[in-house]
Amino acid sequence: GESVGLHLPTLSVQEGDNSIINCAYSNSASDYFIWYKQESGKGPQFIIDIRSNMDKRQGQRVTVLLNKTVKHLSLQIAATQPGDSAVYFCAENAGGTSYGKLTFGQGTILTVHP
Amino acid sequence: NAGVTQTPKFQVLKTGQSMTLQCAQDMNHEYMSWYRQDPGMGLRLIHYSVGAGITDQGEVPNGYNVSRSTTEDFPLRLLSAAPSQTSVYFCASSYFGNTEAFFGQGTRLTVV
Repeated sequence: GESVGLHLPTLSVQEGDNSIINCAYSNSASDYFIWYKQESGKGPQFIIDIRSNMDKRQGQRVTVLLNKTVKHLSLQIAATQPGDSAVYFCAENAGGTSYGKLTFGQGTILTVHP
Repeated sequence: NAGVTQTPKFQVLKTGQSMTLQCAQDMNHEYMSWYRQDPGMGLRLIHYSVGAGITDQGEVPNGYNVSRSTTEDFPLRLLSAAPSQTSVYFCASSYFGNTEAFFGQGTRLTVV
């Protein structure tokens, strides 16, 4: 079946740098794309989502970009902090009655060095 | 609010044993779902529910049963545990029409 995947499994940055985490998706019918953060020993935590009819959405220190032409999703974290160190997953769902059904990518490990 | 509560946190089973993983949420969410997470992989959907009395299969449903008799509870049953079911299991819930899912802390299950 179609799935969501990531280009890079690990990313190391210095504190204060901006981080960019990438994701490729293949299901053109997905209505929403979502980013989750998972810290060690915890469940995933919602960061931000973007609907398929949008190109960009900003939150607090995070920006998600969606390029439907090349089926690419990215999460930008500004002024990365040690507390941002975690595994980041992109996910998708089809909306409608499928909001509770998420298809996750493999994940990217972000390590922030002080 | 407690959010999504999963019990137990850790469990070791012998092959062939059965058990139930408990999940409860106190946010009155319509949607609840179960995922499993294997090393180096993202989460995969096992079963989900859009409301009390309604369940459906996800990507990897074989070997698992669910029921949803109340809005708050969504237990996951392993009928006859197999080593391939060794994994970390996460329960999640969300409001209808909302992409923000709230996850529990997970249950780490080992089948020997």
